[in-house]
Amino acid sequence: ETGVTQTPRHLVMGMTNKKSLKCEQHLGHNAMYWYKQSAKKPLELMFVYSLEERVENNSVPSRFSPECPNSSHLFLHLHTLQPEDSALYLCASSQAHHPGGVGNQPQHFGDGTRLSIL
Amino acid sequence: AQKVTQAQTEISVVEKEDVTLDCVYETRDTTYYLFWYKQPPSGELVFLIRRNSFDEQNEISGRYSWNFQKSTSSFNFTITASQVVDSAVYFCALANNDMRFGAGTRLTVKP
Repeated sequence: ETGVTQTPRHLVMGMTNKKSLKCEQHLGHNAMYWYKQSAKKPLELMFVYSLEERVENNSVPSRFSPECPNSSHLFLHLHTLQPEDSALYLCASSQAHHPGGVGNQPQHFGDGTRLSIL
Repeated sequence: AQKVTQAQTEISVVEKEDVTLDCVYETRDTTYYLFWYKQPPSGELVFLIRRNSFDEQNEISGRYSWNFQKSTSSFNFTITASQVVDSAVYFCALANNDMRFGAGTRLTVKP
């Protein structure tokens, strides 16, 4: 049983839809991450919440909007997505030692949400 | 700029062979951390090892071993006597104030 749970496992949506991905961690960590994994591309770090501080990532389009209501939950709100946004979205958590920093501690990953944009 | 290169896209070996996965990194920071993760077909990345930049001691864990060499900016991963269950995509990663993953190496171990 994984300590990081992502729902849904699969999501198919149209370009005009609005949906949200959910991630929950039961490991007592204080940092959470969203990654995008596309075919034949390295994992791309999208967003980080560390000690309740969000690390901005200017390279992520605004059609992706993260939300971290507490240290155990992380959401990724999606709206007006494009076909190239189809990918596996992975959530991870870890311990972090300073606000705003990417944790240098091992990250624990969820199983991911496979997103397909029609 | 930080960068992680895993030049081997795919490797195929026969069970019981030894195999080495290469990882070369670039960073201007003096303090950084290196990781290896395994991604089996189920999709979840599994942490294997972490090394900080001040610890060049090689490590062995069962059939797994890691060779960290700052002089060549490499952090290679060797699996001894490979097994079918080792089949997965393996990622090398570099972290300090950012997290960079390599493109991954797909390892297939055939019976």
